[in-house]
Amino acid sequence: QKEVEQDPGPLSVPEGAIVSLNCTYSNSAFQYFMWYRQYSRKGPELLMYTYSSGNKEDGRFTAQVDKSSKYISLFIRDSQPSDSATYLCAFSGGSNYKLTFGKGTLLTVNP
Amino acid sequence: DAGITQSPRHKVTETGTPVTLRCHQTENHRYMYWYRQDPGHGLRLIHYSYGVKDTDKGEVSDGYSVSRSKTEDFLLTLESATSSQTSVYFCAISEGGEYGYTFGSGTRLTVV
Repeated sequence: QKEVEQDPGPLSVPEGAIVSLNCTYSNSAFQYFMWYRQYSRKGPELLMYTYSSGNKEDGRFTAQVDKSSKYISLFIRDSQPSDSATYLCAFSGGSNYKLTFGKGTLLTVNP
Repeated sequence: DAGITQSPRHKVTETGTPVTLRCHQTENHRYMYWYRQDPGHGLRLIHYSYGVKDTDKGEVSDGYSVSRSKTEDFLLTLESATSSQTSVYFCAISEGGEYGYTFGSGTRLTVV
């Protein structure tokens, strides 16, 4: 079983749609859960960061963690063309200085 | 990206030549990392450093070496470049995994 699984997409949605991005993980030691956004030809940037199970909201973005199911999600409301990017989930806790990344989901929001 | 710079941004080199990529930070973060990113493979850790002169291997370290003689600089060397090392290389810095990483803008390396 892979430590992290993330559907690579690609995912294409119309502007204004609600987007759901998901990752599953198998390592029970993971305690910190993150989402990175990577625009084409740029480095990944930290978008959302959560520690506990539950929801965390930041503007149009909501990160959701379900530790019991080992499942995390990122929701984007009222998606915009500027949200078009690759989204990577990331996990920490197995080692206190290394992150484990998903392979990323490519999202395109069409005007 | 703020506090972290990579050089060069682009490089084309010939098979068999040595290549050194540089990562420079101004954040005084303890941890530094080198990743490569390839389609279908995502980000893969090459080497990382947890302090000056303290480095360790990642999952794809064969053919690569690193050095960290100062807190702010982390060098990645391809001893003898091969076509399979054509990739985008990212440096990242961190105060600890629980704080996440800050990534550089990447170096696009082509080995011909």
